[in-house]
Amino acid sequence: AQSVTQLGSHVSVSEGALVLLRCNYSSSVPPYLFWYVQYPNQGLQLLLKYTSAATLVKGINGFEAEFKKSETSFHLTKPSAHMSDAAEYFCAVSYISGYALNFGKGTSLLVTP
Amino acid sequence: DTGVSQNPRHKITKRGQNVTFRCDPISEHNRLYWYRQTLGQGPEFLTYFQNEAQLEKSRLLSDRFSAERPKGSFSTLEIQRTEQGDSAMYLCASSLDRGKKDGYTFGSGTRLTVV
Repeated sequence: AQSVTQLGSHVSVSEGALVLLRCNYSSSVPPYLFWYVQYPNQGLQLLLKYTSAATLVKGINGFEAEFKKSETSFHLTKPSAHMSDAAEYFCAVSYISGYALNFGKGTSLLVTP
Repeated sequence: DTGVSQNPRHKITKRGQNVTFRCDPISEHNRLYWYRQTLGQGPEFLTYFQNEAQLEKSRLLSDRFSAERPKGSFSTLEIQRTEQGDSAMYLCASSLDRGKKDGYTFGSGTRLTVV
């Protein structure tokens, strides 16, 4: 089955530190990859997407992700964490032949002062 | 453009009752999706409409679940004879034809609690 795996259900960083959230995909066809953020009791907001153009993708709120085919990864990074970044982050994948997004289980980001 | 709107935001129901949720997508979006999210999990795909046609249904969508999009605009998701396992956040999303490349716009969800 084609899916994504998010390593680490909880990640804690200090304010100002680097944020790294990991996502690996399994796909037999070129994937479209997405990162979404979810704040408590809210829907999901699209952070960024990879659609086979540039491998380094810049998104909103200072986040970026790099598509590495050799590692089947699409890790999310931010150089300096802010308290407002504390949320649940989901990696998702869709395929040329399908319309549904398949989500990972999510990573909860905690930012400490 | 007010985004994707879902009503109600919260619903508490007794086991065995029927419930119906509504989703109003972004007006120019022709595709509409329903997802279910349980605590500590990512959203799981339930079903998808292109205009008024329901084109894909997940195995998660048991015969107690039915979704409609009668005029290709808003959609409803009905759960009959609710069970405690139906307790979850039900998310609606919409997109244009390029949704699978562009991603979706999600609503804030309807949180269902079955007691």
